[in-house]
Amino acid sequence: GAGVSQSPRYKVAKRGQDVALRCDPISGHVSLFWYQQALGQGPEFLTYFQNEAQLDKSGLPSDRFFAERPEGSVSTLKIQRTQQEDSAVYLCASSHELAGGNEQFFGPGTRLTVL
Amino acid sequence: RKEVEQDPGPFNVPEGATVAFNCTYSNSASQSFFWYRQDCRKEPKLLMSVYSSGNEDGRFTAQLNRASQYISLLIRDSKLSDSATYLCVPYTGNQFYFGTGTSLTVIP
Repeated sequence: GAGVSQSPRYKVAKRGQDVALRCDPISGHVSLFWYQQALGQGPEFLTYFQNEAQLDKSGLPSDRFFAERPEGSVSTLKIQRTQQEDSAVYLCASSHELAGGNEQFFGPGTRLTVL
Repeated sequence: RKEVEQDPGPFNVPEGATVAFNCTYSNSASQSFFWYRQDCRKEPKLLMSVYSSGNEDGRFTAQLNRASQYISLLIRDSKLSDSATYLCVPYTGNQFYFGTGTSLTVIP
């Protein structure tokens, strides 16, 4: 595909359940970002990868959140023991070059609802 | 203090009107700046990059004032299709900081 894809598009989880969200960036894109967007808010930075290296994870809200990009392409965001406050849209974005203020291309997001 | 502050609106303007959005950012080390638009329940999409003092792209003009740490977006001759949320995004270090967004509705 030509764009960033994410799966699943919608996820409903019971509180305490673990979830895994997948991001397929645009082929060849070096930089990959994860964001969390709560209703009525702008996207909040979670973490950043340059190829397979996670260079910044300062935005991850707790140690229940974990992200990886082992081969420098597909990335997975894992949330353990989900809580209701984790309910949000999780957006993935990729960029062709090293993060230096270049255009990010966003995926459609995964809408997570924790009951 | 928030990294980015925007007036959330909503701004309701008639077709053909000119509308301006303002944004302030707190980190003077911010290196570059962007405006993204986000349609309801969709992902953000880049509208404009803002380098040096500003730039223009058709009906859209973005300006940057580093001394005041202020960015603006001007939309001339508003179209119905401009209805969206406009997100101000300074880039600092490895992070893009998104504002809460300003909601615009263009009315026929």
